[in-house]
Amino acid sequence: QKEVEQDPGPLSVPEGAIVSLNCTYSNSAFQYFMWYRQYSRKGPELLMYTYSSGNKEDGRFTAQVDKSSKYISLFIRDSQPSDSATYLCACNSGGSYIPTFGRGTSLIVHP
Amino acid sequence: DTAVSQTPKYLVTQMGNDKSIKCEQNLGHDTMYWYKQDSKKFLKIMFSYNNKELIINETVPNRFSPKSPDKAHLNLHINSLELGDSAVYFCASSQDLVNYEQYFGPGTRLTVT
Repeated sequence: QKEVEQDPGPLSVPEGAIVSLNCTYSNSAFQYFMWYRQYSRKGPELLMYTYSSGNKEDGRFTAQVDKSSKYISLFIRDSQPSDSATYLCACNSGGSYIPTFGRGTSLIVHP
Repeated sequence: DTAVSQTPKYLVTQMGNDKSIKCEQNLGHDTMYWYKQDSKKFLKIMFSYNNKELIINETVPNRFSPKSPDKAHLNLHINSLELGDSAVYFCASSQDLVNYEQYFGPGTRLTVT
């Protein structure tokens, strides 16, 4: 079992839909949680960064962490075709320099 | 103004050749990384440097040798290229070792034939 699991998708939604992207992890030492967006043939771009449990909102994006169930989510409201990309979650414990990445979920928002 | 840049963007070469990829960041960060992303999109850390010093060297064949001439640059040299080295290689940087927010370059797509 990989430490961070993500469904690769693709997840296809119509424009304007609310999108829910999810990751599960197995390492209870993880405390830092990140979401990266990667457009085709580009480098990952940091989207959201949260520490421990709770919610964090930034515009149309909300990151949610539930440490009790080892589950992290990214919600995208009013999704746009420009949101079409691969979304990677990443987790880190306090003692490691390097985050552990999920394999990413491919999102397609069609007009 | 590109924060993390890599050259070349594409690299096609034959087995057995030696090649280098260059990376530069203008963010003033102390820490730089090399990642390999395979065809299944998994991002795997290869190396990490902090202030020009090697901090992390994951299980990578010693045909791969990173070099950091200064903290703004981290280059990757690969000897005796093999078919399995074909992947996208990403350079990244972060402010320091304890800041987990990483900024990635555009990637170098290496194809070994």
